[in-house]
Amino acid sequence: QKEVEQDPGPLSVPEGAIVSLNCTYSNSAFQYFMWYRQYSRKGPELLMYTYSSGNKEDGRFTAQVDKSSKYISLFIRDSQPSDSATYLCAMSLSNFGNEKLTFGTGTRLTIIP
Amino acid sequence: EAGVTQSPTHLIKTRGQQATLRCSPISGHTSVYWYQQALGLGLQFLLWYDEGEERNRGNFPPRFSGRQFPNYSSELNVNALELEDSALYLCASSGTGVSYNSPLHFGNGTRLTVT
Repeated sequence: QKEVEQDPGPLSVPEGAIVSLNCTYSNSAFQYFMWYRQYSRKGPELLMYTYSSGNKEDGRFTAQVDKSSKYISLFIRDSQPSDSATYLCAMSLSNFGNEKLTFGTGTRLTIIP
Repeated sequence: EAGVTQSPTHLIKTRGQQATLRCSPISGHTSVYWYQQALGLGLQFLLWYDEGEERNRGNFPPRFSGRQFPNYSSELNVNALELEDSALYLCASSGTGVSYNSPLHFGNGTRLTVT
């Protein structure tokens, strides 16, 4: 079993829809959770990060962490064609550096105009 | 602010050859990370360099090696190339510290194809 599981998709939704992207994990010691967005032929860019459980909102994006279920989500409201990308979740132990980041395999999202 | 730059963009090699990939970090960043992104496998951590020293390496064979120069740029060398080495190789840089204080900034990668 992989430490972090992410549905690879592809996921296609119409413009304006609410998108839900999810990851599950097995290591209960993970405390820092991130979402990266990767456009085609580009490197990943950090979209959002959250520490421990709870929600964090940034514009149209909401990151949610449920540590009891070992489940994290990224919600995109009013989705736009420019949101079409691969979304990668990542997580780490809070006291460690980036060499301990564990990434999901990514979900490819397409927003249909 | 210039981002992380990688060269070349594409690299085609034959099995058994050596490949050299280069990375320039964001100005002020001392840490450089190398990742392999193969289809269906996600980002796999390869190497971490900081202040010119190799600090950690992932679960890859010794034919994957590299170095960091005094100006903090880095190169990744892959010897005795195998077909399964075909992947996107991403370089990232960060400041020092724990991950939530020093997020990774990625370059656009080098696409290595081994034939």
